Amino acid sequence: EVQLVESGGGVVQPGGSLRLSCAASGFTFSSYEMNWVRQAPGKGLEWISYIDRPGNNVDYVDSVKGRFTTSRDNAEKSLSLQMNSLRAEDTAVYYCARELFTSGFDLWGQGTLVTVSS
Amino acid sequence: QSALTQPASVSGSPGQSITISCAGTNSDIGAYDFVSWYQQHPGKAPKLIIYDVTNRPSGVSSRFSGSKSGNTASLTISGLQVDDEADYYCSSHTSRGLHWVFGGGTRLAVL
Repeated sequence: EVQLVESGGGVVQPGGSLRLSCAASGFTFSSYEMNWVRQAPGKGLEWISYIDRPGNNVDYVDSVKGRFTTSRDNAEKSLSLQMNSLRAEDTAVYYCARELFTSGFDLWGQGTLVTVSS
Repeated sequence: QSALTQPASVSGSPGQSITISCAGTNSDIGAYDFVSWYQQHPGKAPKLIIYDVTNRPSGVSSRFSGSKSGNTASLTISGLQVDDEADYYCSSHTSRGLHWVFGGGTRLAVL
């Protein structure tokens, strides 16, 4: 089955760290650019990070630059998001999403909830 | 404030047609034909329903159609069904230092 499965979410204190993972299956992971998109409770979607197919080119939305790091392991078919210096405003469901050759996100994971709270 | 502007809500009756607008700028919608639309039911992940302005992924109903004029994209749903009740988001590739921007979302009520 073609799918993405996120894991690693949870409750963390402000200033803390968390690492999210996204496991891909059913398709050639290395052939696709990947992204992270988040959704705060009751709010809309927000693109936060992009990584190219070999993992050499990574980009972020300004609000997470310097705090979040995206990486991938094509051999393990996995995508990761290392989140440091977490803030209350980072509270959201985090989705990994497969990019359809700049045309949009054609495959999404089920999402993992990150709650930043003391 | 989202980069793309959508109406907060729209409504229609079963069988009717509705259109959701998505206003951007000449740095996103106006610059690229990489506009996509997503449907999201409560508690679920978004689902791609339109890509490259007008194209439907395999398995998406032909009742969904997309268009673009200048800096504004539109999603039209014809023959409304109860199951169409969901949140809809537009998205565009952007040249403003981000790869993608989203609209704030539109809640569709099928009354």
